[in-house]
Amino acid sequence: KAGVTQTPRYLIKTRGQQVTLSCSPISGHRSVSWYQQTPGQGLQFLFEYFSETQRNKGNFPGRFSGRQFSNSRSEMNVSTLELGDSALYLCASSSGTGSNTGELFFGEGSRLTVL
Amino acid sequence: AQSVTQLGSHVSVSEGALVLLRCNYSSSVPPYLFWYVQYPNQGLQLLLKYTSAATLVKGINGFEAEFKKSETSFHLTKPSAHMSDAAEYFCAVTRSGGSYIPTFGRGTSLIVHP
Repeated sequence: KAGVTQTPRYLIKTRGQQVTLSCSPISGHRSVSWYQQTPGQGLQFLFEYFSETQRNKGNFPGRFSGRQFSNSRSEMNVSTLELGDSALYLCASSSGTGSNTGELFFGEGSRLTVL
Repeated sequence: AQSVTQLGSHVSVSEGALVLLRCNYSSSVPPYLFWYVQYPNQGLQLLLKYTSAATLVKGINGFEAEFKKSETSFHLTKPSAHMSDAAEYFCAVTRSGGSYIPTFGRGTSLIVHP
């Protein structure tokens, strides 16, 4: 079956702009998580959505937001971009239910560069 | 709370040599443990996982890891490194019966010399 799909793969923005990233999870997966990856901070958890509700949230400012649709597709938005937001944004899906062990299936990421 | 420590941000080996990537975890309850691999410009891919069955876990590409509760470790090994093993490796922990959100280590970059 198809894997996790993230779009766009690469994008360049300028400070102050906003950006929206999209993620389509593996069919049947109801949980979508977002991570920010930078050389300095490693992998940092942004938030997790399950059945259209934010279930867990990391320690990021309110400029970072997300949502999940009824088909489990998810978007994340970053407003008022800062240079430090330049990163690889990874989306991961999982079943999110009782049998879940925490194993994640990752997309290839969206690489954001803020100038 | 749970945490993961990966010793060594970079590990360099020669092709054909043993690969050993170290991971120590902290968890107040029995953990689930994972190793992921990330190739350049790609997402993470699961190598193997421990979910309280056999303590020696075999994964893809010839990798294996052993869960040692007494040492709170889950080191990743491969008997013979191949050039294609050059990548970033991440250890992660979740709690059984608890949060499904994994905590990741900082990653170890494996460099393989010809």
